[in-house]
Amino acid sequence: DAKTTQPNSMESNEEEPVHLPCNHSTISGTDYIHWYRQLPSQGPEYVIHGLTSNVNNRMASLAIAEDRKSSTLILHRATLRDAAVYYCILRDAPSGNTGKLIFGQGTTLQVKP
Amino acid sequence: DVKVTQSSRYLVKRTGEKVFLECVQDMDHENMFWYRQDPGLGLRLIYFSYDVKMKEKGDIPEGYSVSREKKERFSLILESASTNQTSMYLCASFRRQNTEAFFGQGTRLTVV
Repeated sequence: DAKTTQPNSMESNEEEPVHLPCNHSTISGTDYIHWYRQLPSQGPEYVIHGLTSNVNNRMASLAIAEDRKSSTLILHRATLRDAAVYYCILRDAPSGNTGKLIFGQGTTLQVKP
Repeated sequence: DVKVTQSSRYLVKRTGEKVFLECVQDMDHENMFWYRQDPGLGLRLIYFSYDVKMKEKGDIPEGYSVSREKKERFSLILESASTNQTSMYLCASFRRQNTEAFFGQGTRLTVV
């Protein structure tokens, strides 16, 4: 499985945008980029995923570099409830029915009021 | 509301006991996973299953086994619990590759 590299921690102020970077220089052409987050005392939850184009949903935006070797998760207005560990994960495109989610250490995001 | 339910939130067991951790999903998902999460080590994959009666080892299967007799239920079994299996255990399910995975709330197991 291709690896990702994320900063250990980041800080943000409430109501400001947050850009969480992820490097994945060994990404293959069939790897999708997934983001999950884990709030304190909860299981991880899905945030967003994409392949080549930038993606938006109600939670966040995902900006993918043209060479796909890096990506950025964008929270447009951080709230205190966004304080969590954010995981950037590469998942292989369908070649079967499995798609292991292999978690790295993630980025711990602190949001200051 | 979609759900992955783990049978217990907290569990205390004695060394040498046989322990069953149950996970049930109501979304008709083919794929189900078991992870454990430890401070400093993150989430590590123990076993996964992509169909009924199918199972594959993850990164740390030693000391564990699994059972998938029905599509909605995936059980993690500790044949003889040891103190180094004290951990948070998380179950997840998803339908197909590159779709959203759903996680349970976790079971915090303490082996004394």
